[in-house]
This record gives sequence, C-alpha cells and structure tokens, in this order.
Amino acid sequence: GQQVMQIPQYQHVQEGEDFTTYCNSSTTLSNIQWYKQRPGGHPVFLIQLVKSGEVKKQKRLTFQFGEAKKNSSLHITATQTTDVGTYFCAGRPGGFKTIFGAGTRLFVKA
Amino acid sequence: NAGVTQTPKFQVLKTGQSMTLQCAQDMNHEYMSWYRQDPGMGLRLIHYSVGAGITDQGEVPNGYNVSRSTTEDFPLRLLSAAPSQTSVYFCASSSRTNPIQETQYFGPGTRLLVL
Repeated sequence: GQQVMQIPQYQHVQEGEDFTTYCNSSTTLSNIQWYKQRPGGHPVFLIQLVKSGEVKKQKRLTFQFGEAKKNSSLHITATQTTDVGTYFCAGRPGGFKTIFGAGTRLFVKA
Repeated sequence: NAGVTQTPKFQVLKTGQSMTLQCAQDMNHEYMSWYRQDPGMGLRLIHYSVGAGITDQGEVPNGYNVSRSTTEDFPLRLLSAAPSQTSVYFCASSSRTNPIQETQYFGPGTRLLVL
C-alpha cells in the first residue's frame, strides 16, 4: 500500500546543533505537510509544500519538497530546547487520504 | 472558536464493550478524520469524511464505524473493544475550499485503554 517513511526515528542533539528529518513516499504526492507534536500534546500544523522543488523557511526551520514530489525534509538550524517534540510529515498520495510518517522524535540537551 | 473538541479525554473499557468517541468542530470544515497513534507508528488514518453524509475508510478501519450526519460532528464507534485498540485517538478537521492550504486542526485526543 501507500507508505510514507520517515527517518531517523530518534535524534539526540546538543542545544545549538542542527537537526534534519527526512520523509520519503513510495508514490508521488500532491502535497506534503509537516506537523510538530509536543510530548503529551496533539499535532500542530507547521507548513504545507505543494510545488516540485519548493523550499520554504520559517525562522530557523527550512522545509524542502523534492523535484519528483516523493521526498521532503525539515532542517532546524541551531536547535533550542523549545524545539523538543516529534516532527511528522504527512502526504496526500491522491484523493482525500492523508498518510502520516512515523515521526522523528527530537531530544535537545541544554 | 473552540476549534476541535473531543470527549472523553480518558476511557477504560473491558474487552467486548462498545463505546463512542465524540468529535466536534466549530470551524465549518468539510473534511474530518480520525487517527490512532501508537508508539513508534505515527498517526494512522481510521476513517474520514469529506462532508455531511459522506464517509470512507482509511488505513486501519476494522473494528470502527463512523457517521457524519452534520458538518460539525464526526463520532467514532468501537463496536466490540479489543486490547489491540488501546491507543490515543485524534480527530482532525480541515477546510477543502482552499486547495492550496489544507491545514489539519487536531483535537486534544482521547486516551483509550482496553483491558
């Protein structure tokens, strides 16, 4: 079936280090969304990418959508303790279904 | 606006019992969905609806029923609870009128334990 794979599963960083999580789909996606979930909380929307090769920035966060619209990445520059949480990618392979990746849990040590 | 609300927050069931998880949104969103979240497996789509009277199956629909009689409400029914249904359940909604921006708004979740 349609799958959205996300790596790594966990990442431990020292505060100030950079962090990247990668998302890969077995099929072409019409769009990809990124969410952040704090421990004990619910997913919160960060951004949506629609166009092939699209790059968007939100302060220290940079999001990319691959040329083939099958992969995406989220890069955080100079992590802070407030970045702690699980980052999910979610894609629409077609129709109305949105498929989530398993998430990357980020731990930041002060 | 309250956004997306879910009740109850916590529930303990015995195997074989049935129950309904409630979800409501006050944003007039067409699209609503139910996900379950298990450790290390992300969010898996159970059922979704693109409007009142229209529902469809997601990735893991077995053991669950849904209905959408109004735009606001999208209840999830567990017909005969099993320990494998122990999970955190999230309801989400989004507007389909703007295809460029399909932000999904999530409710706070229902934590379900089936003994």
